Amino acid sequence: QVQLQESGPGLVKPSETLSLTCTVSGGSITGFFWSWIRQPPGKGPEWIGQIYYRGTTNYNPSLKSRVIISVDTSKNQISLDLNSVTAADTAIYYCARESSTDFDSWGQGTLVTVSS
Amino acid sequence: QAVLTQPSSLSASPGASASLTCTLRSGINVDSFRIYWYQQKPGSPPQYLLRYKSESDTQQGSGVPSRFSGSKDASANAGILLISGLQSEDEADYYCLIWHSSAWVFGGGTKLTVL
Repeated sequence: QVQLQESGPGLVKPSETLSLTCTVSGGSITGFFWSWIRQPPGKGPEWIGQIYYRGTTNYNPSLKSRVIISVDTSKNQISLDLNSVTAADTAIYYCARESSTDFDSWGQGTLVTVSS
Repeated sequence: QAVLTQPSSLSASPGASASLTCTLRSGINVDSFRIYWYQQKPGSPPQYLLRYKSESDTQQGSGVPSRFSGSKDASANAGILLISGLQSEDEADYYCLIWHSSAWVFGGGTKLTVL
């Protein structure tokens, strides 16, 4: 069964870049879309964007100017860069695999706090 | 105005039914969309329940009980998640989701209390 694990700094300073990696094990990145989704404490999820294993991306229009999602098929990893962060970007960040029907596999999420 | 609007909370008794609504913004026709429903419990990521577009285009998530079902109210421009025979374990947050303009959009969620 495929497993996803998010990793990266748990604390980022305002105006800096938040960088996270999602490592996929037990399966290949090939053939799927992969999404980043975040959830501020006590609030609902917000979709950040997706990447197809071949590199095609779609982003949330509200975040598009600050986000880059990339894929490294040789490492089975998907990466997220979010620049110019503020306290409003404090959230649990999840990576998730999109099957033909749903987000069928999720990482456990990693809490990123934006604070000086 | 948000693309998807859900009531923030709903309470119902064990054994009863609960109808959770997801209203699409005016100008976005519910008939055109598959509505996906997710359940989230504290400390865990959302879990897929089902998707519903029509009686002929619906899909239950793997292992999801049949007492969870989807429908639409075209007059209200809304998707509906119906949970029958409520159990205490159904107490959770529920989110609807659509694919709109090349982006996934979540509703704000409904906190369902079973008491």
